[in-house]
Amino acid sequence: DAGVTQSPTHLIKTRGQHVTLRCSPISGHKSVSWYQQVLGQGPQFIFQYYEKEERGRGNFPDRFSARQFPNYSSELNVNALLLGDSALYLCASSFDPSYSNQPQHFGDGTRLSIL
Amino acid sequence: QKEVEQNSGPLSVPEGAIASLNCTYSDRVSQSFFWYRQYSGKSPELIMSIYSNGDKEDGRFTAQLNKASQYVSLLIRDSQPSDSATYLCAVSPGNNRKLIWGLGTSLAVNP
Repeated sequence: DAGVTQSPTHLIKTRGQHVTLRCSPISGHKSVSWYQQVLGQGPQFIFQYYEKEERGRGNFPDRFSARQFPNYSSELNVNALLLGDSALYLCASSFDPSYSNQPQHFGDGTRLSIL
Repeated sequence: QKEVEQNSGPLSVPEGAIASLNCTYSDRVSQSFFWYRQYSGKSPELIMSIYSNGDKEDGRFTAQLNKASQYVSLLIRDSQPSDSATYLCAVSPGNNRKLIWGLGTSLAVNP
């Protein structure tokens, strides 16, 4: 079975532009979480979606938005890009976040570079 | 106090030795605990999960949980150079709340 897939793998943008990152969860998983990871730090939580509804939001500005589609895939959108948005963006899927024993499984990430 | 704390390292051990990685957490009601391994430039990979006090073994890996002392550890026996990576501790508080992540401990296994 395919794992979590993310696209694109790498992306280069300039300040002020916007970007859309995509994620498909593991088959059967209904929850998707987005994380930002800068070099040398652990993942920082951005959003969690379950059954197309937002379940959690991290401490990120409104320039960051996301949605989940009926097939449980998800998009992360970032507007008005800043240099500080350069990071590895990770998508993780799990079956149901209501159960705390559900681990998250990560995709390979999208490396976003802002020039 | 950070919610999940790990020593940043680097932790350096010789090949064949036992590597011991520690993680403390602040929320006493935390229910589930996960160890992830992350190679440089790659995404985190789940290697162990533990939910109850005591030890859980999987191959060369042993996770230890002590809820009274609020710490969880990961032991890697017979360390190999391929174990060189950053190890991330993640804690689930339960009640539909998001995973809380430590900053990770960098491990270097020297041949």
